[in-house]
Amino acid sequence: GNSVTQMEGPVTLSEEAFLTINCTYTATGYPSLFWYVQYPGEGLQLLLKATKADDKGSNKGFEATYRKETTSFHLEKGSVQVSDSAVYFCALTHYDKVIFGPGTSLSVIP
Amino acid sequence: DAGVTQSPTHLIKTRGQQVTLRCSPKSGHDTVSWYQQALGQGPQFIFQYYEEEERQRGNFPDRFSGHQFPNYSSELNVNALLLGDSALYLCASSFTSGPPYEQYFGPGTRLTVT
Repeated sequence: GNSVTQMEGPVTLSEEAFLTINCTYTATGYPSLFWYVQYPGEGLQLLLKATKADDKGSNKGFEATYRKETTSFHLEKGSVQVSDSAVYFCALTHYDKVIFGPGTSLSVIP
Repeated sequence: DAGVTQSPTHLIKTRGQQVTLRCSPKSGHDTVSWYQQALGQGPQFIFQYYEEEERQRGNFPDRFSGHQFPNYSSELNVNALLLGDSALYLCASSFTSGPPYEQYFGPGTRLTVT
């Protein structure tokens, strides 16, 4: 079936460090891929998306590239800030429903 | 333009009771999906409503049911509550003829079953 796997957290980084959160997927067909972010006590916000192979999604300094050959969509940011502390979910769409990974908690310390 | 709204924000129920959660979609959207997010986990798809009918369903028992009204708003009903139903319930709306990835999530309803 369709599924999403993410690196386990929690991840703790110092401010201005480089961030990578790994994500791989299993899917039939050609899904669209997403990263969502959930700040403490809040709902989900779409961070970025990519709809076909080799597309790069980007937003707020975060980037992820849709790699069909490795079925991956790793999230990266060159310099994290304390305000980036949140839980990050990798996800894909399958027939209009969103399938989420388990989430990776990120804490950025000053 | 209001986004997706959900009510109530928080809810405490006792095991065996029934609960109804409500969702108003973003303006212009006609499809509503519901997700359950247990603590420390990713959201799990419950079901999706379009044209007042259930279009898709995830692996949830029949205790979970829903409804969509002519104005596209939706309700999620859970009967015979179990302790394991404690979770954040998220509603997402989309436009069925739009891009499949354009789902907008509400802030969620936190349900605690004691």
